[in-house]
Formats: sequence, structure tokens, C-alpha cells
Amino acid sequence: TQLLEQSPQFLSIQEGENLTVYCNSSSVFSSLQWYRQEPGEGPVLLVTVVTGGEVKKLKRLTFQFGDARKDSSLHITAAQPGDTGLYLCAGRGSARQLTFGSGTQLTVLP
Amino acid sequence: EAGVVQSPRYKIIEKKQPVAFWCNPISGHNTLYWYRQNLGQGPELLIRYENEEAVDDSQLPKDRFSAERLKGVDSTLKIQPAELGDSAVYLCASSLVAGAGETQYFGPGTRLLVL
Repeated sequence: TQLLEQSPQFLSIQEGENLTVYCNSSSVFSSLQWYRQEPGEGPVLLVTVVTGGEVKKLKRLTFQFGDARKDSSLHITAAQPGDTGLYLCAGRGSARQLTFGSGTQLTVLP
Repeated sequence: EAGVVQSPRYKIIEKKQPVAFWCNPISGHNTLYWYRQNLGQGPELLIRYENEEAVDDSQLPKDRFSAERLKGVDSTLKIQPAELGDSAVYLCASSLVAGAGETQYFGPGTRLLVL
């Protein structure tokens, strides 16, 4: 079983601050995705990273895939209340199915 | 374009009762997934369909859970009988093609509470 551990589990910050969320595993993934989920809704895909060391930017969000394709990070610059939500990483392994991490609940206070 | 539709949105039942969830995927999406998401956790795959064929049901508790996808479009997930530990959000997702470049589109989920 491929496990993905996310940290921190909870994060509460003030508007304008920066933050980083981590996603770690002992397994190698062919690709890794980040989702955001808001209350009462399903997860929505933010990004897919495929190549070890790859960095992708989506406005104020920066995603990085580890060189060994076992870990990933999500960095948010100047967080806004609209960034509040549950952030999930999900890795695709050899069995082609997605394995989700346990999530990071982010709250950005105005 | 309509997204993935799920119903009901909420369901409260007593233990040992049956319950069913319905999912209508995005039009044209061949792959359909059912996930279970416990409070404070990420989704866990229950079953994956390619058209009408269940290609991965290894994590579906088959003693009480069943699923079907007739005609390769809509799908239903059933629990009979429900147990207290089945309380969770049941998410349906669909995609064009499973694999490396896949984007899964999730429905809003059905929140089940078993009393």
C-alpha cells in the first residue's frame, strides 16, 4: 500500500502570510496531483506534476515535485481568505490508481 | 457543461438499514470512480469502472457494498446493511480516460450518517 503523509494537518494563518504544505511518501509515483476541496464540495484539481524536480506555478501557488518523485510541496504566497480549504495531494503509482494524502486544512483569516 | 451529479446530497439512516447513492458522470466520460471520504481524511477508492466494467473493486467491502453501472453511464452504490462505521462522504468522480494525464472531476458527494 502506498501511503502519502501530509503536513501540517491544520494550518491557520493571517491574510498576507506565506505558507508551505508538504506531501511525503516512501514510494515513487509516476505523477502527483494537488487538489483543493471546499466544504460540501468534491476535490478540484489544481495541478499535475510528472517529472522529478518539476516546478509549476499557478498565480500565487507554487508546486514542486521532488527529484526522486516521492514527495511534493505546495507554497502559497500572500495567502488570501479565498485560499481557505482542504488541500489534498494524490499520487499515481504503478497500479494506475490515485492514492490520496490525509489533507491539510488551511484557514486564512482576514 | 454540467458537472458530476450525485444524489441524494445527505442521507440519515439507522444501522442495519439499506441505502443507495446515485451518480451521473460528465457526458462522454468513460471512467467512473466511487470514493469514500472519512472526516478529516482524503478520499479512498472503492471501485473504478471503465464503461460498464468494474476494473478495480479490490477495496470494495463486498459483504455489504455493491455497485453497478448499467449501460456505462449512471452508477449506483449500495450498502446493505449499513453499519455505524459507514458514516462518511461518498464521492463519485469521472474522467475521459484513466491514466497518467488523467483529470478526475468530482461530484459534491453524498454525506451519509448512520445512527
